[in-house]
Amino acid sequence: AQSVTQLGSHVSVSEGALVLLRCNYSSSVPPYLFWYVQYPNQGLQLLLKYTSAATLVKGINGFEAEFKKSETSFHLTKPSAHMSDAAEYFCAVSPTGGGNKLTFGTGTQLKVEL
Amino acid sequence: DAGITQSPRHKVTETGTPVTLRCHQTENHRYMYWYRQDPGHGLRLIHYSYGVKDTDKGEVSDGYSVSRSKTEDFLLTLESATSSQTSVYFCAISEGAEQETQYFGPGTRLLVL
Repeated sequence: AQSVTQLGSHVSVSEGALVLLRCNYSSSVPPYLFWYVQYPNQGLQLLLKYTSAATLVKGINGFEAEFKKSETSFHLTKPSAHMSDAAEYFCAVSPTGGGNKLTFGTGTQLKVEL
Repeated sequence: DAGITQSPRHKVTETGTPVTLRCHQTENHRYMYWYRQDPGHGLRLIHYSYGVKDTDKGEVSDGYSVSRSKTEDFLLTLESATSSQTSVYFCAISEGAEQETQYFGPGTRLLVL
């Protein structure tokens, strides 16, 4: 069985500050990991994914995430927040080798303040 | 853009009424998925399809059925809608060597009164 825990359902940062959104996973087999972003009244857009290659993954809009097996974590970061980053972010996990069963976390709402 | 459209985009219906939501894709993807999104639950898989006429249940399949008679269309049916099925429904397709990466449609907002 696999699961994802996103710590903090709401995170608030100042514009220009570091963004850190936390994701911890539980999986019985080595996983693939994903971050998606959802803007209001829109679908989910893929930010980045880890599929057993480099542990530091760079995505769109300046976001990156690091896969840490020892900590079972895949935290999302961005050095400098922008107002346009305000959205809901979802971490998701799937097993490797035919990983079409995505399990999502409950989401983190990011607020960016002036 | 994975070429996914969903229809309708918004629907209001009454309890006990049958409802069908349509997902259409233009890029010949083999795998298609239906999810529902509810506050505090993230997205949960309802059903998925791995080919024409090939479907399987997901985590929250009770009260839902699906059909896929053509590669490009995946239909989700609520046989008798209930208020607990008020939700936002997303369709997805998958790509990649292991079909590991999913891309989502714009969603259908359903309100069951």
